[in-house]
Amino acid sequence: SQTIHQWPATLVQPVGSPLSLECTVEGTSNPNLYWYRQAAGRGLQLLFYSVGIGQISSEVPQNLSASRPQDRQFILSSKKLLLSDSGFYLCAWSKRGGSSYEQYFGPGTRLTVT
Amino acid sequence: GNSVTQMEGPVTLSEEAFLTINCTYTATGYPSLFWYVQYPGEGLQLLLKATKADDKGSNKGFEATYRKETTSFHLEKGSVQVSDSAVYFCALRLNQAGTALIFGKGTTLSVSS
Repeated sequence: SQTIHQWPATLVQPVGSPLSLECTVEGTSNPNLYWYRQAAGRGLQLLFYSVGIGQISSEVPQNLSASRPQDRQFILSSKKLLLSDSGFYLCAWSKRGGSSYEQYFGPGTRLTVT
Repeated sequence: GNSVTQMEGPVTLSEEAFLTINCTYTATGYPSLFWYVQYPGEGLQLLLKATKADDKGSNKGFEATYRKETTSFHLEKGSVQVSDSAVYFCALRLNQAGTALIFGKGTTLSVSS
């Protein structure tokens, strides 16, 4: 069966510090991978998605970046965090192919920027 | 553009009450539709889905029917439980390779005993 891991689970970082969140998927190959952010009291915002190694599409211009160094690894980064980067970050994967494939979400990382 | 609109929450119900959470969408083509649930402090879990018009998705007593004529996918449950308290997200996915889900803003459900 497939599983998706995220770490760390929680993180408190000062403004201006760097960020690295990691997501890995097990039990499948060639997945589509996604990063979402959920700010307090708001819905989910798609940040990045990837259809393959080194292929990243950005949905929202911001100070975050994403990389996919391996097929089942997706990393979200920032060089300098802003207060507005606080939120709940969710990684997800789906099978490649048609729209009927649902996305499976990881447990999330709660980031607080102080 | 493509979007999902959900009813504003929070929705507060007593145990065994009937639940409806409205969801309407705007999309090009024929999207697939989903309901996800998020329990406190956790990630999202798929609750049910429908991939074409008139399909009914169902799971754990929840149901939703894909209504193309009204562009709706309302979530219903005949008798809610305290354990159903969570945030519910309606979402669509376009029939294009690599596209992500487009989510509504979520509806918080609180069920009391």
